[in-house]
Formats: sequence, C-alpha cells, structure tokens
Amino acid sequence: GDSVTQMEGPVTLSEEAFLTINCTYTATGYPSLFWYVQYPGEGLQLLLKATKADDKGSNKGFEATYRKETTSFHLEKGSVQVSDSAVYFCALAGGFKTIFGAGTRLFVKA
Amino acid sequence: ETGVTQTPRHLVMGMTNKKSLKCEQHLGHNAMYWYKQSAKKPLELMFVYNFKEQTENNSVPSRFSPECPNSSHLFLHLHTLQPEDSALYLCASSQGTGGEGNQPQHFGDGTRLSIL
Repeated sequence: GDSVTQMEGPVTLSEEAFLTINCTYTATGYPSLFWYVQYPGEGLQLLLKATKADDKGSNKGFEATYRKETTSFHLEKGSVQVSDSAVYFCALAGGFKTIFGAGTRLFVKA
Repeated sequence: ETGVTQTPRHLVMGMTNKKSLKCEQHLGHNAMYWYKQSAKKPLELMFVYNFKEQTENNSVPSRFSPECPNSSHLFLHLHTLQPEDSALYLCASSQGTGGEGNQPQHFGDGTRLSIL
C-alpha cells in the first residue's frame, strides 16, 4: 500500500542554518504531495504542495520538489529562524486517501 | 487560520463519564475527519465523513462514536474511555466530491483530552 517515510527527529539547528528534511514515498498512480507544519498547541497547517512530477511547492521560504524518479519530496529552507521550530509532516494524497508521515520535530536555537 | 473550530480545547474526564467533542468548519468543504495524535506515535485516522456519510472507520473502538449531522459539523461522542485514550484529537476538513481526492486538509487546533 501507499506509504510515506520521513527522517526521524529531532533536528536541531542554529538560526540561519540550512534545513533539509527528507521525505520519500511509495504510491500507485499519481498522488499529490504535501508538507504540513504543526506549531506548539496548534493543529496542522498546510505549508506547501505539489500536484505532479517536477512541480516545486514553496511558501514562507520553504521549498520542496516532487521527484518521481527518486520518489522523494524533501523539504528545504535556506536560512531557518527560531520561529520555524515546529513539527513537520510529509503527506501524500491520492485514491481517496491521505497518508501522513510520522513527523519530524525541528528545534532552532538563537 | 482557523476555518475549522474545535471545542473544547481541553477536556479532563473520568473513565465513566460521557462527553462530546465538537468540530465546525466554515470553508464549505464536503469531507470531515477525526484524527488521534498521541505522543511519539504517527497521526491516526479514526473516521471519515463525505457529504455526511461515514466512508471510513479505521477499527476504532465503539467507545468512540462519531456523528455528522451536516457537512459543516462533526461530533465525537466519548463513553467509558481508557487512560490510553488520552491524546490530542484533531478534526480536519477538505474539499472534493467522491472522497478525499487530492485536496489538502484543513485542521482545527484540536482538543487535548486527559482521562483520569
């Protein structure tokens, strides 16, 4: 069945460091891919999405490219801020299902 | 952004109590979901409703009983819960006919439930 695997956390970075959170997936068909973010005490929020191969989703300085050949959708940001500290979830949607990864916690130190 | 509103935000109850969680969405979506989020465990999908009809029940114990009176409102009725049911319960909604499709989900901020 479909699945999403993302790197285990926590990830701890200093402010202004480069961020990569890896996400790979297995799926039949052509799913859409998403990154969600969950700040403390809140629900998940859609961060960015890509609906087909080679699409790049971007928002708030975060980017991810839908790579069909490597079945990946890695999240990147060039310079993280303390306010980016949160849990990040990779997800795929297709065939009437949304599958979430286990989440990766990010801590950014000042 | 809180197009999806959940109440209460926090709930403490004994194992013999009956309580209900409420979710309301103002986004005009057709599908609504209940998820359970426990510490150090992946997000667990509990129930899915599409156009008020339940389309998925992921082997959830009968002490959890969902109700969807219309496309904007979703309830989770709780009865004789166990300590392991303590968790954050998240409601979500999405647009799309015929199921979840490829549309993103919009989440509420959750109800933090503690079972004594």
